[in-house]
Amino acid sequence: KQEVTQIPAALSVPEGENLVLNCSFTDSAIYNLQWFRQDPGKGLTSLLLIQSSQREQTSGRLNASLDKSSGRSTLYIAASQPGDSATYLCAVKRAAGNKLTFGGGTRVLVKP
Amino acid sequence: GAVVSQHPSRVICKSGTSVKIECRSLDFQATTMFWYRQFPKQSLMLMATSNEGSKATYEQGVEKDKFLINHASLTLSTLTVTSAHPEDSSFYICSAQDGGPYNEQFFGPGTRLTVL
Repeated sequence: KQEVTQIPAALSVPEGENLVLNCSFTDSAIYNLQWFRQDPGKGLTSLLLIQSSQREQTSGRLNASLDKSSGRSTLYIAASQPGDSATYLCAVKRAAGNKLTFGGGTRVLVKP
Repeated sequence: GAVVSQHPSRVICKSGTSVKIECRSLDFQATTMFWYRQFPKQSLMLMATSNEGSKATYEQGVEKDKFLINHASLTLSTLTVTSAHPEDSSFYICSAQDGGPYNEQFFGPGTRLTVL
């Protein structure tokens, strides 16, 4: 059974500092991995999707890496802003049509 | 990206009543939709997988007769919480899979259910 863990559970940084969020999964036989953002009381916004054959994806200040063999993904957010404050969730999919397994999330607070 | 809507966004009901939540994919067809439940400060828990035109597949521990799912068209799935009780109060989120090359899931904005 796939298990996804996110460490730390919460993170507080001053504005401008780079953020590093970690995600680990127990079964390396994944189809893809997604990073999401969730604001309080809202749904999920997809940030980056990495296919199992890819090593990283980038979008603006966001960069996500994937090391399938070690079961790890890292989300980097450069030059953090107060607007980046949210909960970040990673999720892995085992097969093409299969369900997503979510990590517990990392709550991020960027202080102005 | 693809857009998924949910209705209502918030509902308050009395114990014993049934509540229906709609999930719609607005600009794409979704053969598969998923229903999740999220408790405060916790991650999403998958409740069931809904395939258009067939019965939903429920996760272990989720009562089929309690949470009725209907996926009658390629753009609409509904979740009905029957005879709701206070412990059913939660945030319910749906997602729709686009069937594209990455089978990406797009999430709705969620529905906050409060049962008095």
